[in-house]
Amino acid sequence: QPQLQESGPGLVRASETLSLSCTVSGGSIGSSSYYWGWIRQPPGKGLEWIGSIYSSGTTYYNPSLKSRVTITVDTSKNQFSLNLRSVTAADTAVYYCARQVLQPDYWGQGTLVTVSS
Amino acid sequence: QSALTQPASVSGSPGQSITISCTGTSSDVGSYRFVSWYQQHPGKAPKLIIYEATKRPAGVSNRFSGSKSGNTASLTISGLQAEDEADYHCCSYTGTSTYVFGTGTKVTVL
Repeated sequence: QPQLQESGPGLVRASETLSLSCTVSGGSIGSSSYYWGWIRQPPGKGLEWIGSIYSSGTTYYNPSLKSRVTITVDTSKNQFSLNLRSVTAADTAVYYCARQVLQPDYWGQGTLVTVSS
Repeated sequence: QSALTQPASVSGSPGQSITISCTGTSSDVGSYRFVSWYQQHPGKAPKLIIYEATKRPAGVSNRFSGSKSGNTASLTISGLQAEDEADYHCCSYTGTSTYVFGTGTKVTVL
């Protein structure tokens, strides 16, 4: 089974760009038939699907975040990444990366990103 | 793309059965069998416990079962145990490879 690990800054200034990476082990992103996604959870709240990417680079985004989100994949590093631009305090959350089949199945442990003013 | 509606909290005594609802629309839950449920203990990542509305991944207790009717999906936990105390989230495919999650339900074992 795959293992996923998020990495990136835990603190981002308001109006700047949040950047996170997810490293996948136990399987190759490039040779699989899976999508790879990002999901977030504000403190004390529910989960929100952000978007996903296929190994070919095809992306799908939550319409409510689409204008600020970019997800990319680097098959040589077995990683995929999230960029969220123009962040505000509302973007403070635990960010999870996950493998998606017809639903997210394997998840990373999550990383808390706090947006400071 | 609005969040699916779940009750904020559900409680039950050990050994009892409880059911958590997940209500969407004809654009998500009502149109696709791809509804999944996740169990999340405090400080932990969500764990998949039901997929395609009714199927259990290997290793998940058969005390967890799922169903779907119209725009509403449901998760039933039978023989409630202390370890079942957690947050539960539903998720539905919404078409064109996009997804929406529910508002989340806190299960308390009395």
